[in-house]
Amino acid sequence: GESVGLHLPTLSVQEGDNSIINCAYSNSASDYFIWYKQESGKGPQFIIDIRSNMDKRQGQRVTVLLNKTVKHLSLQIAATQPGDSAVYFCAEKAAGNKLTFGGGTRVLVKP
Amino acid sequence: DAGVIQSPRHEVTEMGQEVTLRCKPISGHNSLFWYRQTMMRGLELLIYFNNNVPIDDSGMPEDRFSAKMPNASFSTLKIQPSEPRDSAVYFCASDRGGLSYGYTFGSGTRLTVV
Repeated sequence: GESVGLHLPTLSVQEGDNSIINCAYSNSASDYFIWYKQESGKGPQFIIDIRSNMDKRQGQRVTVLLNKTVKHLSLQIAATQPGDSAVYFCAEKAAGNKLTFGGGTRVLVKP
Repeated sequence: DAGVIQSPRHEVTEMGQEVTLRCKPISGHNSLFWYRQTMMRGLELLIYFNNNVPIDDSGMPEDRFSAKMPNASFSTLKIQPSEPRDSAVYFCASDRGGLSYGYTFGSGTRLTVV
């Protein structure tokens, strides 16, 4: 699966540093949010999710923050590794079980 | 669990030919989604099914596209006739339904129409 290519915003980060990827969502009725990671040649993979009644959720090396006031979502990756190089998508779900995806951010990890 | 299985992985066809993409969702998942990914438009939802019934096909670009889900373990996306602008990666995804679950995606079918 080819990731969305040349026109993606790109975040370059040094190996070992923390990464922050931002996403603005559009639907104030969205109740559930997900971050996906897409590596070259693969489909999007679930990383972490958060419900609208929370403002922070932590996983292994990843943290998602939700600010409903300004409709903003962020993904923090601690101690970024070469394997974190990929395209990251945020997605929102409102009633009806339909996920709407953002445009994606490419993360490049420099050794 | 084998995950969502799509076939073929790659398809090259001539303009005007019929193309059929196939998907086997995860057993027990009752929702199935077809997405298209391109450089220009990103990930677009084409159609989704709940319990084998099409719920929303508003993303299907035109009548040349059709999708079926004859049973809970199989779905097809057909393009007839195909055109070069249909070239993209097509993903199938499934989930358990309900608000608090994310989709599981297949590996996609890369379609090239020449």
